[in-house]
Amino acid sequence: AQSVTQLGSHVSVSEGALVLLRCNYSSSVPPYLFWYVQYPNQGLQLLLKYTSAATLVKGINGFEAEFKKSETSFHLTKPSAHMSDAAEYFCAVGADSSYKLIFGSGTRLLVRP
Amino acid sequence: DSGVTQTPKHLITATGQRVTLRCSPRSGDLSVYWYQQSLDQGLQFLIQYYNGEERAKGNILERFSAQQFPDLHSELNLSSLELGDSALYFCASSLSGRMDEQFFGPGTRLTVL
Repeated sequence: AQSVTQLGSHVSVSEGALVLLRCNYSSSVPPYLFWYVQYPNQGLQLLLKYTSAATLVKGINGFEAEFKKSETSFHLTKPSAHMSDAAEYFCAVGADSSYKLIFGSGTRLLVRP
Repeated sequence: DSGVTQTPKHLITATGQRVTLRCSPRSGDLSVYWYQQSLDQGLQFLIQYYNGEERAKGNILERFSAQQFPDLHSELNLSSLELGDSALYFCASSLSGRMDEQFFGPGTRLTVL
């Protein structure tokens, strides 16, 4: 069975500071991993996707994530936070055999001026 | 704008009633997914259709059913509604239905009174 754990339901950073959102996964098969962002009253938008091509994945809006198999982690980072990054972020895992995504509980990012 | 449309945007109804949520996928996408987002359960996969056929099923209640029509739009039917069914229901679509990007619609907010 697959699962995703996002550590920290809320993360607060200052504008310009490093953003680090944590995600650990559990999967019995090589996973596909995703980060999605949800702005208030909107649907989810894909930030980036890992499909085994490269362990460091670059996404939109300056975000990137590194796949670490030994740590079963896929943490999301951004060097410098902007006010517009304030949103909820979801990590998700998928396996080719099931075609569905399993989402973590989400992390709400707050950016302080 | 993801290209996925969902109607209605909001729906308020009473317990015991039946509602239908509609989703139109992005042009060219063959697969449709339905997710439920609630405060206590988070984002949960309900069901997936690919080119008119059911492909995967998640934690979907027996009171809920879905279908995908020849024009590829999909409907999610919820019956004998309970207070706990109040949630945001998202539709997503993807090209092939395998581990490619899922594009999410804006959601339908269902309130059961």
